[in-house]
Amino acid sequence: GAVVSQHPSWVICKSGTSVKIECRSLDFQATTMFWYRQFPKQSLMLMATSNEGSKATYEQGVEKDKFLINHASLTLSTLTVTSAHPEDSSFYICSARGVGRATYEQYFGPGTRLTVT
Amino acid sequence: DAKTTQPTSMDCAEGRAANLPCNHSTISGNEYVYWYRQIHSQGPQYIIHGLKNNETNEMASLIITEDRKSSTLILPHATLRDTAVYYCIVRGSSGNTPLVFGKGTRLSVIA
Repeated sequence: GAVVSQHPSWVICKSGTSVKIECRSLDFQATTMFWYRQFPKQSLMLMATSNEGSKATYEQGVEKDKFLINHASLTLSTLTVTSAHPEDSSFYICSARGVGRATYEQYFGPGTRLTVT
Repeated sequence: DAKTTQPTSMDCAEGRAANLPCNHSTISGNEYVYWYRQIHSQGPQYIIHGLKNNETNEMASLIITEDRKSSTLILPHATLRDTAVYYCIVRGSSGNTPLVFGKGTRLSVIA
């Protein structure tokens, strides 16, 4: 299947700082990328959908000024958690869908575990 | 997208078939049934999907009832590495519609 990578796999940051998480589609062009968040023992919660070259669409309750999403190319999307606080500690997972082999399937990255101290 | 209902947890003996049910009684005609699984602390992994015919691939089989109101994911010979949370998701065919995850079924494969 298609490969989606995330970097970093885990990060610890201090409260008030910003953290950037990268999501890359390695062997296909991702026209649409999705960002999810998962708290311990809970399911994945969709945060936002982004199409290459367009502004992201955020789900209700997700602050767009706090979670900045950039999808500037067909292989890269970034999520920046600005002014992070301990309650932002979570497992962040990106997902991509695109042309070619991934036409109808949604492929997921391995996730990034963020801990805010 | 239609809502799905799955049992919270299931156990299966190693080497036996694991049959995971999913109820999606409000599914509409153009919605597909997708199955993903998530092993602890990893991203979800695609397993299989179908519209109305039964499907089989190298990982699993998907049996969809004739009225499409329910389906069963079958792992023919479960191994310890199949221990995971399995999500049944119903979604339309639009390329921009994201997968929305429910609570899934926690499958424990026991030696």
